[in-house]
Amino acid sequence: AQTVTQSQPEMSVQEAETVTLSCTYDTSESDYYLFWYKQPPSRQMILVIRQEAYKQQNATENRFSVNFQKAAKSFSLKISDSQLGDAAMYFCAYRDNNAGNMLTFGGGTRLMVKP
Amino acid sequence: GAGVSQSPSNKVTEKGKDVELRCDPISGHTALYWYRQSLGQGLEFLIYFQGNSAPDKSGLPSDRFSAERTGGSVSTLTIQRTQQEDSAVYLCASSLDPAGGRRFFGPGTRLTVL
Repeated sequence: AQTVTQSQPEMSVQEAETVTLSCTYDTSESDYYLFWYKQPPSRQMILVIRQEAYKQQNATENRFSVNFQKAAKSFSLKISDSQLGDAAMYFCAYRDNNAGNMLTFGGGTRLMVKP
Repeated sequence: GAGVSQSPSNKVTEKGKDVELRCDPISGHTALYWYRQSLGQGLEFLIYFQGNSAPDKSGLPSDRFSAERTGGSVSTLTIQRTQQEDSAVYLCASSLDPAGGRRFFGPGTRLTVL
């Protein structure tokens, strides 16, 4: 079974600085998708960034970028120029074509941003 | 409303009672998902509806849990004879493109079983 692990229950970053959230996963598949979701206190889950495993280039969305290391099964999220509004729970998720469209989520990392 | 809506936003019930949670997906989205998030934990998949196909119920934790999706739109998650361990946030998501994984989530219903 696929598993997703986020080893950092909590992270803290100073406003305007950069922080990296870790995610590792376990799979025997070669074709899959990886995601980072943000869940602010409002509980609304927001897709931050998505990576297709067949693409070697790391995905980037404005201040958010990933470091996708397929061989190491690692998918970290880098947030640059952190803002107070970035404070939230961040979930890493995995999906492959054999999973019946089901996403497997990591346990989450709580990010705190200090002014 | 352009987003996924859920009601109620909070529900407190007594152990043993039945509850119904509602999800209104984004219009036109054929895929609908229910997840459960226990306090501080990741999301646990419950059930998935796709168009007129039979739902994927593989995530339902027990036969006390059931869900319906009427007319390919609104969905109701029912929990019978609630237990304290059912206390969690229940999140609904819809998707136009289930293959790509992009889900749009509702705000959730926080269920507290006393």
